[in-house]
Amino acid sequence: AQSVAQPEDQVNVAEGNPLTVKCTYSVSGNPYLFWYVQYPNRGLQFLLKYITGDNLVKGSYGFEAEFNKSQTSFHLKKPSALVSDSALYFCAVRAGGSYIPTFGRGTSLIVHP
Amino acid sequence: SQTIHQWPATLVQPVGSPLSLECTVEGTSNPNLYWYRQAAGRGLQLLFYSVGIGQISSEVPQNLSASRPQDRQFILSSKKLLLSDSGFYLCAWSSGTGGTSYEQYFGPGTRLTVT
Repeated sequence: AQSVAQPEDQVNVAEGNPLTVKCTYSVSGNPYLFWYVQYPNRGLQFLLKYITGDNLVKGSYGFEAEFNKSQTSFHLKKPSALVSDSALYFCAVRAGGSYIPTFGRGTSLIVHP
Repeated sequence: SQTIHQWPATLVQPVGSPLSLECTVEGTSNPNLYWYRQAAGRGLQLLFYSVGIGQISSEVPQNLSASRPQDRQFILSSKKLLLSDSGFYLCAWSSGTGGTSYEQYFGPGTRLTVT
């Protein structure tokens, strides 16, 4: 079985400050990890993924995430938040041989001007 | 480039009426296709997925059904809607067998309100 935990329902950060959205996972075998962003009344947009290789992956809109195998974490980060980053963020995991990802419940990011 | 379409964008239907939501993908072949429902702007519930024409797997028993009549077409249906079927329905695709990308790409969604 595979699972994802996003421990924070909401993260508040001031514009210009660094942001972190947390994600921990559980999966059998090597994990494929993903972050998606959703704006109101829109579908999810793919941000970045970790499949193999460098633990620090960079994605769209200046976001990056660090894969930590020992802590089974894949936290999303950005050095300087923008008001336009305010949205719902989803972490997802799937095992290498599976077509079915498991999504976290989502974290609402609010960036204050 | 690949594109995913969903329609209609919004739908208001009475209880007991039928439903048909359509999803089509362009620019890729043999994709894996998925239907999700999102309630209250939060978690995603996987309803159905398909790895090929006519191959449908159901994740949640309910009054919904899905069909894949063509490689890049995925349809979500119901014979009689319930109030609890209200929600935001999302179609998604990912690369099928032999593909090199692992992430999913989502359509714009259909907002269904059952009255």
